[in-house]
Amino acid sequence: DGGITQSPKYLFRKEGQNVTLSCEQNLNHDAMYWYRQDPGQGLRLIYYSQIVNDFQKGDIAEGYSVSREKKESFPLTVTSAQKNPTAFYLCASRFQASPDGYTFGSGTRLTVV
Amino acid sequence: GENVEQHPSTLSVQEGDSAVIKCTYSDSASNYFPWYKQELGKRPQLIIDIRSNVGEKKDQRIAVTLNKTAKHFSLHITETQPEDSAVYFCAASKRSGGSNYKLTFGKGTLLTVNP
Repeated sequence: DGGITQSPKYLFRKEGQNVTLSCEQNLNHDAMYWYRQDPGQGLRLIYYSQIVNDFQKGDIAEGYSVSREKKESFPLTVTSAQKNPTAFYLCASRFQASPDGYTFGSGTRLTVV
Repeated sequence: GENVEQHPSTLSVQEGDSAVIKCTYSDSASNYFPWYKQELGKRPQLIIDIRSNVGEKKDQRIAVTLNKTAKHFSLHITETQPEDSAVYFCAASKRSGGSNYKLTFGKGTLLTVNP
């Protein structure tokens, strides 16, 4: 999967539940990102992390939480506070010192049932 | 923050014709402009990028032009083929504190190449 793995590929959540999406990379990239994709909306930034144990809110962070305990891992939790969580979620990573070289994961499609 | 506008939202061309997708950005400090191709249900793949010190870049049938003064950049695909059909995203990035770079994406263009 090009060095960055997202799991699961499909996820179903009942209303009121928290769910966690996994993102793991073996590229030794410093920075990791979570994007949400909705039809006709492009990719919108949820959270990003430049280094271990540090992360910042993106443009649509409400209802989401993240952690960065290891360089390789950046899990995203979709909480019950996220009112419309059904979407395609993409994780990405890159070396910190360069603006290019983004590598995307294959995505997780989350559906609320 | 940065705002990226992308047009058109859908584009249909005949095989062999050219396709042009245009984007504008708001922040004059943005200095890196990638284009991604995304097939249905797949991850975005970088197809070409350009930095602000360059006006044009070409890679086989794909080219990107950048007008910093007007703050717009365009993707040109020549001799289109059915396998070019996908959603194309433009993006803009700038340094934001230290080594922090964030990509801001346009909303995408669905390109359909008809055989």
